[in-house]
Amino acid sequence: AQSVSQHNHHVILSEAASLELGCNYSYGGTVNLFWYVQYPGQHLQLLLKYFSGDPLVKGIKGFEAEFIKSKFSFNLRKPSVQWSDTAEYFCAVLTSGTYKYIFGTGTRLKVLA
Amino acid sequence: ETGVTQSPTHLIKTRGQQVTLRCSSQSGHNTVSWYQQALGQGPQFIFQYYREEENGRGNFPPRFSGLQFPNYSSELNVNALELDDSALYLCASNLGQGNSPLHFGNGTRLTVT
Repeated sequence: AQSVSQHNHHVILSEAASLELGCNYSYGGTVNLFWYVQYPGQHLQLLLKYFSGDPLVKGIKGFEAEFIKSKFSFNLRKPSVQWSDTAEYFCAVLTSGTYKYIFGTGTRLKVLA
Repeated sequence: ETGVTQSPTHLIKTRGQQVTLRCSSQSGHNTVSWYQQALGQGPQFIFQYYREEENGRGNFPPRFSGLQFPNYSSELNVNALELDDSALYLCASNLGQGNSPLHFGNGTRLTVT
């Protein structure tokens, strides 16, 4: 069965530290990849997405993610986090020909001011 | 634009009862999907509706059913509630059946006692 793994469940960083959140998926075919973010008290919202083309995609608020097909990975990065980045981050995969998004278990990021 | 709205925000039910959750899709969106998010987990796909027809279903029993109305709003019905049905139920809308990103509501927190 297809699955998405997020290995870091809780991450605590100081402001200005660099961030990398891991995401791996299990599916050998074509995928569309997403990162969603949920800020405290708010709904899930799209951070960035990858469909095809340049494997390095840029999203809102300075986030970026790199699709590495050989590693089945789509890690999220930010060079310098801010206190306002405190949130829960979910990686999601949409496999070709289906309408079923598969989400990881999420990573709770806390940024200390 | 009007976002995805869900009602009610919180609900407490007793085991064996039935519940109906409601969702209004974002304006312009014709596809609605429902997700169950248990504590500490990522959203799990329940089913999707496109133009009033169910066109995708996750690993949920038949007592989870839904409807989509001509205005693209939707209901999730759960019969014979079990304790494990306690979760946050998320509604998401998007456009078409492809890979357009999901727009989520704030969810309905269901507690089954």
